[in-house]
Amino acid sequence: GENVEQHPSTLSVQEGDSAVIKCTYSDSASNYFPWYKQELGKRPQLIIDIRSNVGEKKDQRIAVTLNKTAKHFSLHITETQPEDSAVYFCASGAAGNKLTFGGGTRVLVKP
Amino acid sequence: EPEVTQTPSHQVTQMGQEVILRCVPISNHLYFYWYRQILGQKVEFLVSFYNNEISEKSEIFDDQFSVERPDGSNFTLKIRSTKLEDSAMYFCASSEGAITVDTQYFGPGTRLTVL
Repeated sequence: GENVEQHPSTLSVQEGDSAVIKCTYSDSASNYFPWYKQELGKRPQLIIDIRSNVGEKKDQRIAVTLNKTAKHFSLHITETQPEDSAVYFCASGAAGNKLTFGGGTRVLVKP
Repeated sequence: EPEVTQTPSHQVTQMGQEVILRCVPISNHLYFYWYRQILGQKVEFLVSFYNNEISEKSEIFDDQFSVERPDGSNFTLKIRSTKLEDSAMYFCASSEGAITVDTQYFGPGTRLTVL
């Protein structure tokens, strides 16, 4: 089955700096790659997603890139703010719709 | 904006007891899912449900688990005889359609504690 690896597991950045989280997946049939932000005790909230027919997508300070050949995708957060502190999960999906999640990255933005 | 809702927010039960976790998916959504997250770990897929039947289930979803859509709005997860290792946060999710893989929206979760 699908396996999603996510790095790093923790990331500490200074406010205003950029944060980058990387994920790799194993199943070449995967064609949907969402990113979720989860604050302590809360539900995963979708922040951005990308489908396999697109190489890059941007939404304000957040961008995601996808390299289907290498089977990896990345989340980029620019101009980080303290409210960006959370756990971020990447995931992959394909026909059948289940999502396979990465292990999560705990991001701490230091003021 | 419509949201997935779940009840209860926290359920404490004794080992061996049955529990039912309830979810109300977003009203025009057709695909429903259950995931679980053991404290500090990743979110794991349990089961997906469409057209009143299970479309896919993981190896975690054994005979102790069942799902049901008892009416037009609720979607339930039943654990027949809870074990200590069933303690986790259980998330329900729903998506509009699945012609292509579709965005899944998560509920707030039910924290299940098995003593």
